[in-house]
Amino acid sequence: GAGVSQSPSNKVTEKGKDVELRCDPISGHTALYWYRQRLGQGLEFLIYFQGNSAPDKSGLPSDRFSAERTGESVSTLTIQRTQQEDSAVYLCASKAGLAYEQYFGPGTRLTVT
Amino acid sequence: AQKVTQAQTEISVVEKEDVTLDCVYETRDTTYYLFWYKQPPSGELVFLIRRNSFDEQNEISGRYSWNFQKSTSSFNFTITASQVVDSAVYFCALSEARIRANNLFFGTGTRLTVIP
Repeated sequence: GAGVSQSPSNKVTEKGKDVELRCDPISGHTALYWYRQRLGQGLEFLIYFQGNSAPDKSGLPSDRFSAERTGESVSTLTIQRTQQEDSAVYLCASKAGLAYEQYFGPGTRLTVT
Repeated sequence: AQKVTQAQTEISVVEKEDVTLDCVYETRDTTYYLFWYKQPPSGELVFLIRRNSFDEQNEISGRYSWNFQKSTSSFNFTITASQVVDSAVYFCALSEARIRANNLFFGTGTRLTVIP
């Protein structure tokens, strides 16, 4: 595809349930990022993948959050035992290896009830 | 520590007016990169510009211009002759070369409303 795609676009879940969010980066982009955007706030970095290197997980807010990526393809962000404070838009971005600009997907709006 | 401050939470202007969005940053890194992104009502962030810390040349792209001043740690964004389509939330962001991830640190955004 031409851009970063994410699914689902919206997710409503009950507190305590697990959710899985998906990101398809731009083809050929080796770097992939997950960010979280709470209502009315800027984006917070969650995790970074670069090729087959160990991911940078320094932004993950708790051990309920995890993410996977195989090679340079799709990534999934999993939130276990969701809490109401997890409600936010989760944005994925990708960039080419030596570039600086990140290109963002449309996000997944997560609502925990 | 790194920080990006966008003190203007919301700005409203009448169409065709000029408007400047302020951005002040903090970093200890000597090599860093500054960005502006636009987030229209659809929600998807759109990349506008990147500047490197070693290049203080101002840039103009159509109605958009950017003023980077290291002396004041500012990277301001001006829209001339604003249009309704410019209505969006604008984010300033910083990345540091010393961080392997080059992840972006965002300000809290400025919501611009252009009134027809």
